[in-house]
Amino acid sequence: EAEVAQSPRYKITEKSQAVAFWCDPISGHATLYWYRQILGQGPELLVQFQDESVVDDSQLPKDRFSAERLKGVDSTLKIQPAELGDSAMYLCASSLEAREKLFFGSGTQLSVL
Amino acid sequence: AQTVTQSQPEMSVQEAETVTLSCTYDTSESNYYLFWYKQPPSRQMILVIRQEAYKQQNATENRFSVNFQKAAKSFSLKISDSQLGDTAMYFCAFMRGRDDKIIFGKGTRLHILP
Repeated sequence: EAEVAQSPRYKITEKSQAVAFWCDPISGHATLYWYRQILGQGPELLVQFQDESVVDDSQLPKDRFSAERLKGVDSTLKIQPAELGDSAMYLCASSLEAREKLFFGSGTQLSVL
Repeated sequence: AQTVTQSQPEMSVQEAETVTLSCTYDTSESNYYLFWYKQPPSRQMILVIRQEAYKQQNATENRFSVNFQKAAKSFSLKISDSQLGDTAMYFCAFMRGRDDKIIFGKGTRLHILP
């Protein structure tokens, strides 16, 4: 079965550094989501794309976070500068038709020191 | 705004028993979908079951079934004949039909005991 690819799997960085995460959704999936999940809590939506357009980024801390999906395929989430409170799992998900099923990647575990 | 509430932070049951996980939601939307996702220790999110709000019939997937009470805005998950592999975090999720925005509850940690 096709999978959502995310990299890196783990990232350790120091406070105030820049970090970037990459997601490659399943081919043909138009909808792409980035979630942040703090250990022991549910995923929190950061940004939702429909093709290359942002549908919802109301929970994205725009002073330090940015997301893009230039060609409507893969996507990059960036944090600059990273803060201690950004330590979390960053999950990417995609769907052909979101009402059917979301396919999740394995996530990027970020630790900010 | 939509909210999803899971009132049971943690539960434990013996293997082979039946367990029910609770979920309530709040919305003014008429078109929406509900999901239960499982997240084992590997942290890979896996869809367990989905329910379309316009369908009255409760969804079932093998040992997993839901009790969807639309008027009460309740969407509980029943796991029958529980197995050790069911040990995981379970998240209830709400999807708004008009724009596919999905929000998750805080989760219930389920332990299946041998």
